[in-house]
Amino acid sequence: GAVVSQHPSRVICKSGTSVKIECRSLDFQATTMFWYRQFPKQSLMLMATSNEGSKATYEQGVEKDKFLINHASLTLSTLTVTSAHPEDSSFYICSASYLSSYNEQFFGPGTRLTVL
Amino acid sequence: GQQLNQSPQSMFIQEGEDVSMNCTSSSIFNTWLWYKQDPGEGPVLLIALYKAGELTSNGRLTAQFGTTRKDSFLNISASIPSDVGIYFCAGSSRSQGGSEKLVFGKGTKLTVNP
Repeated sequence: GAVVSQHPSRVICKSGTSVKIECRSLDFQATTMFWYRQFPKQSLMLMATSNEGSKATYEQGVEKDKFLINHASLTLSTLTVTSAHPEDSSFYICSASYLSSYNEQFFGPGTRLTVL
Repeated sequence: GQQLNQSPQSMFIQEGEDVSMNCTSSSIFNTWLWYKQDPGEGPVLLIALYKAGELTSNGRLTAQFGTTRKDSFLNISASIPSDVGIYFCAGSSRSQGGSEKLVFGKGTKLTVNP
């Protein structure tokens, strides 16, 4: 149980374009979803927290207009990287939790974004 | 903000050896989680701890929630090649009834030589 999927697993795009990443909880209803980015050989850095039907809460230093998050249902959250630049290249990982999961977060497999 | 100090940063061991890694914090956590991440994959939850002093096992893995609520350790017994990966500790200060964001350690990279 508690399976989270992400799509796509890899994406290469040109600078200036926008990229959408989907995160789905497959066998549970996710009351909260989290978006992280991870640079090589580093730990996970939380970008934002989103609750279904509410606006996302962004961490300090994360541009909300650049990283658009939508959590339209209890099983789907999307992250859109707008006007992507090479410095946005990274590994983006989502996680999901549910109300009685006692802070356990279940992670998706990640999306490798490369901006040329 | 809250920070977790995870050590060691890396370990090189022989197959069959036991491994121990730990996390410490300057602040109290009510939840400690241990994750393993393989290259190019998302972290996978190994063990969750909710009570001070709690000792929990998952196969060859054993983790403990420190009595001060400021530390936790993870032991792996009789390591095998597939134990290779990066292990992260994570802590949360909310105990139940909601989803609080996690604070992550910087990870321990484990290499197992056959």
